[in-house]
Amino acid sequence: TVVTQEPSFSVSPGGTVTLTCGLNSGSVSTTYYPSWYRQTPGQAPHSLIYNTRARSSGVPDRFSGSILGKKAALIITGAQADDESIYYCMLYMGGGISVFGGGTKLTVL
Amino acid sequence: QVQLVQSGAEVRKPGSSVTVSCKASGGNFNKYAFTWVRQTPGQGLEWMGRIIPFFGTTNYAQRFQGRVTITADKSTTTAYMELSSLRSEDTAVYYCARQDHIYYYHMDVWGTGTTVTVSS
Repeated sequence: TVVTQEPSFSVSPGGTVTLTCGLNSGSVSTTYYPSWYRQTPGQAPHSLIYNTRARSSGVPDRFSGSILGKKAALIITGAQADDESIYYCMLYMGGGISVFGGGTKLTVL
Repeated sequence: QVQLVQSGAEVRKPGSSVTVSCKASGGNFNKYAFTWVRQTPGQGLEWMGRIIPFFGTTNYAQRFQGRVTITADKSTTTAYMELSSLRSEDTAVYYCARQDHIYYYHMDVWGTGTTVTVSS
């Protein structure tokens, strides 16, 4: 099973960007409990979104999650310079197994 | 405040094994799973496996089956990850993370990572 993400994305300051998380075969649904993590260089990842759309503690409401078509999505509105990070999605595959996507490097410029 | 404190950096020779520890402080150790995630240099996150200490059950990613062993000591609220038959490609930062195994399966608390270097 391969979890797919855009390798990179660019957004203008103040703009909106949608990062997606798919499967090489099949559709992502809420039953995969999609979660999203953010990582800046040299730091551990931290949780942004879980259970498709629930925001983790302290995450601003500029970050939201949903299912769009066949993929999970992380939507960032009002992009700021310090949103530059790598964003990873993770899907729960059942049987105790989770799989990360390859990550999307977001540039704000 | 829940914290996961990992053991320090390790250097190992190819073919040997390494064990990394992850001590949880705060929170209820028995309510969660503890997961190990690795990140090779310049690459993404890779889920390796997890343990639910309350039950002692483990699950491993297929590519690490037979090489990784995850254990937990409830008395010291510490999880361990042993990786054997090390090769240079195992050089990575290894993170432990607390995972909700009951409802939403996400990792809400992360350790700071342990660098393992495999070199002859």
